[in-house]
Amino acid sequence: AQSVSQHNHHVILSEAASLELGCNYSYGGTVNLFWYVQYPGQHLQLLLKYFSGDPLVKGIKGFEAEFIKSKFSFNLRKPSVQWSDTAEYFCAVNAGSASKIIFGSGTRLSIRP
Amino acid sequence: DTGVSQDPRHKITKRGQNVTFRCDPISEHNRLYWYRQTLGQGPEFLTYFQNEAQLEKSRLLSDRFSAERPKGSFSTLEIQRTEQGDSAMYLCASSLATSGPQETQYFGPGTRLLVL
Repeated sequence: AQSVSQHNHHVILSEAASLELGCNYSYGGTVNLFWYVQYPGQHLQLLLKYFSGDPLVKGIKGFEAEFIKSKFSFNLRKPSVQWSDTAEYFCAVNAGSASKIIFGSGTRLSIRP
Repeated sequence: DTGVSQDPRHKITKRGQNVTFRCDPISEHNRLYWYRQTLGQGPEFLTYFQNEAQLEKSRLLSDRFSAERPKGSFSTLEIQRTEQGDSAMYLCASSLATSGPQETQYFGPGTRLLVL
């Protein structure tokens, strides 16, 4: 069965620190990969997505993610975080011809001003 | 606002009661999904529709749950004889599926259900 693992449940950083959130998935075939973000009191929003092509994907608000097929990973990065990045981040995979998305359990990011 | 909308946003009910939630997708999106999210977890897939047809149901969807999308636009999710374990956030998402595998799902604000 497909699954998504997010290694960190809660990450605390100071403003301007660099961010990397880990994500690994289990599926041997073609995948579509996503990072969604949920800001406090708001609904899930798409940060970025990978379907094919360049494995380095750029998203909104300065976020990027790199698909490393050999490691089954899709880590999220941002060189310098801001207080407004405080949110919960979900990695997700949509495998093969399936339509449903499988989500990780999320990483809560807290930014100290 | 042309995003996915859900109604109600919050619902408190007593165990054993029936509840119904509504989702209005983004206009012209042909796929509509239902997910459930509990505290500390990511959303879990429940079911999805392509137009009026319900194409997949998760094993999480017991026979107390039923979903419809009668005209291929809005959808309803009904839970009969609610149990305390049904307490969760129920999320709706929609997408425009074309012939290829690449589709992006857009989520609504969710309906938070509390069963007492």
